Amino acid sequence: QVQLVESGGGVVQPGGSLRLSCAGSGFTFSSYGMHWVRQAPGKGLEWVTFIRYDGNNKYYADSVKGRFTISRDDSKSTLFLQMNSLRPEDTAVYYCAKELVGTSASDSWGQGTLVTVLS
Amino acid sequence: QTVVTQEPSFSVSPGGTVTLTCGLASASVSTSNYPSWYQKIPGQAPRTLIYSTKFRSSGVPDRFSGSILGNKAALTITGAQADDESDYYCMLYMGTSWVFGGGTKLTVL
Repeated sequence: QVQLVESGGGVVQPGGSLRLSCAGSGFTFSSYGMHWVRQAPGKGLEWVTFIRYDGNNKYYADSVKGRFTISRDDSKSTLFLQMNSLRPEDTAVYYCAKELVGTSASDSWGQGTLVTVLS
Repeated sequence: QTVVTQEPSFSVSPGGTVTLTCGLASASVSTSNYPSWYQKIPGQAPRTLIYSTKFRSSGVPDRFSGSILGNKAALTITGAQADDESDYYCMLYMGTSWVFGGGTKLTVL
């Protein structure tokens, strides 16, 4: 069955950087686009970024554009999120999610990794 | 900045029917927005309920249904159960981005 496992979360100071990973298994990773979605404490879900299956198109929410970079290594079935210039408002649980092809939705989610930005 | 609107909260009696909606502040929601719906329980990963307006995700009970009602997307729960008490989020595709609504906290009592 599909499994997504995030890692790399932790505590970082404002202005710092962090790199999240999402290891996929149980499906042909290279055939699917992938999302990052986050949820700040006590807040709702927020879409962060998406990468197409071929890596040729990447999309970002305005709140992270220019600071976050999504990438993938299909040889390792792994998705990444490089987060730079982190702000306190980036504090959240970050989820990776596999796209349901042709639907613009996600059908499988990881359990999330917590990123805390504080001085 | 696209704003997707949802009712902040809703209450339904066990066995009752409730319809949650998902709108756009300055436009109508259509099937071209590929509305999807997610259930989110604190401490758990989101669960996909509905995609492409009306299709149930694998394993989702048929008491959950999706549609377009007027100018909004809608999630209807027919025969609500106690474990349906949760937060529900819609997500809309906007061409080069995806936007979640603010979520609806559903109480079953």
